[in-house]
Amino acid sequence: TQLLEQSPQFLSIQEGENLTVYCNSSSVFSSLQWYRQEPGEGPVLLVTVVTGGEVKKLKRLTFQFGDARKDSSLHITAAQPGDTGLYLCAGVLNTGFQKLVFGTGTRLLVSP
Amino acid sequence: ETGVTQSPTHLIKTRGQQVTLRCSSQSGHNTVSWYQQALGQGPQFIFQYYREEENGRGNFPPRFSGLQFPNYSSELNVNALELDDSALYLCASSLRGGTHSQFFGPGTRLTVL
Repeated sequence: TQLLEQSPQFLSIQEGENLTVYCNSSSVFSSLQWYRQEPGEGPVLLVTVVTGGEVKKLKRLTFQFGDARKDSSLHITAAQPGDTGLYLCAGVLNTGFQKLVFGTGTRLLVSP
Repeated sequence: ETGVTQSPTHLIKTRGQQVTLRCSSQSGHNTVSWYQQALGQGPQFIFQYYREEENGRGNFPPRFSGLQFPNYSSELNVNALELDDSALYLCASSLRGGTHSQFFGPGTRLTVL
């Protein structure tokens, strides 16, 4: 059973387009993180959101944590080829230790 | 400040063999977590170490074991390797408490033939 579902699984767009990636769950998370992973490398942390309803911006990337802390979204404005990669959301469950539950991933390809 | 490092980068083993993977945590971090990432999937939590003790475990059999050393570095050991163990093994370090942000190493690509 996958606790975190991401959509879409694959996204192929042209440079300059906007996109949104969704991360949904029926579980409540104490915090949620977004990572980007390049082929053959480890995930790189982009942002951590902690408070329900929180919105964080990182240049052209906007991250939102749902009010109930069960879901999140990543919006990219004016995508560039350098944004290409695997985007992973990961929720921290309140298990008493820092266990990350990863989503299924969204593979983004931005063509020039 | 040094980041998380892992060794080796790549490894090829045969079924039934044993393997040890190593991880050095980011400076100042006292918690190490290990993840298995199969091709095309998100990472799956194996276990976590804090103060040299296993602090939590995912749904992996006992042939997956680990160690954490006083300098917070860690090892992942896998016995009786199976073909399905082929994956990218990721180590992540963090500071216990706070926002639980974890920082990942580049991973070790294990191929079991």
